[in-house]
Amino acid sequence: QVQLQQWGAGLLKPSETLSLTCAVYGGSFSGYYWSWIRQPPGKGLEWIGEINHSGSTNYNPSLKSRVTISVDTSKNQFSLKLSSVTAADTAVYYCARRGSGYDPYYYYYYMDVWGKGTTVTVSS
Amino acid sequence: SSELTQDPAVSVALGQTVRITCQGDSLRSYYASWYQQKPGQAPVLVIYGKNNRPSGIPDRFSGSSSGNTASLTITGAQAEDEADYYCNSRDSSGNHPGFGGGTKLTVL
Repeated sequence: QVQLQQWGAGLLKPSETLSLTCAVYGGSFSGYYWSWIRQPPGKGLEWIGEINHSGSTNYNPSLKSRVTISVDTSKNQFSLKLSSVTAADTAVYYCARRGSGYDPYYYYYYMDVWGKGTTVTVSS
Repeated sequence: SSELTQDPAVSVALGQTVRITCQGDSLRSYYASWYQQKPGQAPVLVIYGKNNRPSGIPDRFSGSSSGNTASLTITGAQAEDEADYYCNSRDSSGNHPGFGGGTKLTVL
């Protein structure tokens, strides 16, 4: 059974860079995209970006200028960096596995395995 | 913005049927996936594709789609189904995933 374990700094000052890593245990690293999602306190889910095993990335346009997602296939890990953080970046950050498929007649995408979440607080 | 719209809150009597909807232009081309989130926990996938349930998800959860609207139906809602529910699909460009704003389900 695939499990995701995530870690990283939980308290940052404004202008610092958020850095989180997610390790994949118990399953194949290829064949999926690996995603980051965040949830501000009391609010909904926001997709940040994703990467596949070959390093192909896809970012939320609203965050693209500050986000870098990278992959280390030798360790089955992927990482998130978000630069120049502000209080608005305070959130629980989740990593997740993203799969896809095709049913006649539509494509579909889903996130079926999630990490437990890391609370990141930005405060001076 | 993912441009997926959900009702903020829905309630259902215990044992009754409830439908949670998600509207967006991208749903004319992509199926939605649905996630259940309880307080302090990570989201859990409950429906994906045309109407697929991951292992361990009760069969009282089902999904459907028509036009620009995707629906999650819970037939015979249980107290443990009280949670926030999020739909997920692509944005209108089809290039990026996005989530609806979420629906808080209360089981009365």
